[in-house]
Amino acid sequence: GNSVTQMEGPVTLSEEAFLTINCTYTATGYPSLFWYVQYPGEGLQLLLKATKADDKGSNKGFEATYRKETTSFHLEKGSVQVSDSAVYFCALSTGGNKLVFGAGTILRVKS
Amino acid sequence: GAVVSQHPSRVICKSGTSVKIECRSLDFQATTMFWYRQFPKQSLMLMATSNEGSKATYEQGVEKDKFLINHASLTLSTLTVTSAHPEDSSFYICSADTLAGAGENIQYFGAGTRLSVL
Repeated sequence: GNSVTQMEGPVTLSEEAFLTINCTYTATGYPSLFWYVQYPGEGLQLLLKATKADDKGSNKGFEATYRKETTSFHLEKGSVQVSDSAVYFCALSTGGNKLVFGAGTILRVKS
Repeated sequence: GAVVSQHPSRVICKSGTSVKIECRSLDFQATTMFWYRQFPKQSLMLMATSNEGSKATYEQGVEKDKFLINHASLTLSTLTVTSAHPEDSSFYICSADTLAGAGENIQYFGAGTRLSVL
């Protein structure tokens, strides 16, 4: 079946450090890939997405590239801020509108 | 952006009672609404998918008589946990799906409901 595996957290970084959160997937067919972010006390928000191989999604300084050969969609940001502290979820969709989520990775950024 | 309101944010109830959770899309009409359950340090697990005016579609292993879903309008879906027991304690999250640009569907999420059954 379809599944998403992302690195365990929490990830703790100092402000302006480089961020990578790994995400790999298993899917039949050609999934669309997503990163969602959940700030404390709020619902999940779509951060970025990519719908086909080699696409790069980007938003708010975050980027992720759809790598079919490694079945990965790693999230990166060059310089994190305290306000980026949140839980990040990698997810996939193989058609229709159902999402399969990873377990989530807590990011803590210290000033 | 689109807002999904989920209420209550936290509920504590006695074993054997029923609890209703509401999910509303505040500024858009949802084609589909979804209910998820999240266990500590685990993924969001899809419980069911509902469309306005029709019966919900439940995922394998989810008891439809335990988790009653009503989707009365294009902006409101409710999840009722019937005869709740401690093992039903969890974090429940709803989402509402709508068409974005270029024919894509986007899900907007509520903030979740923490259910604790004593």
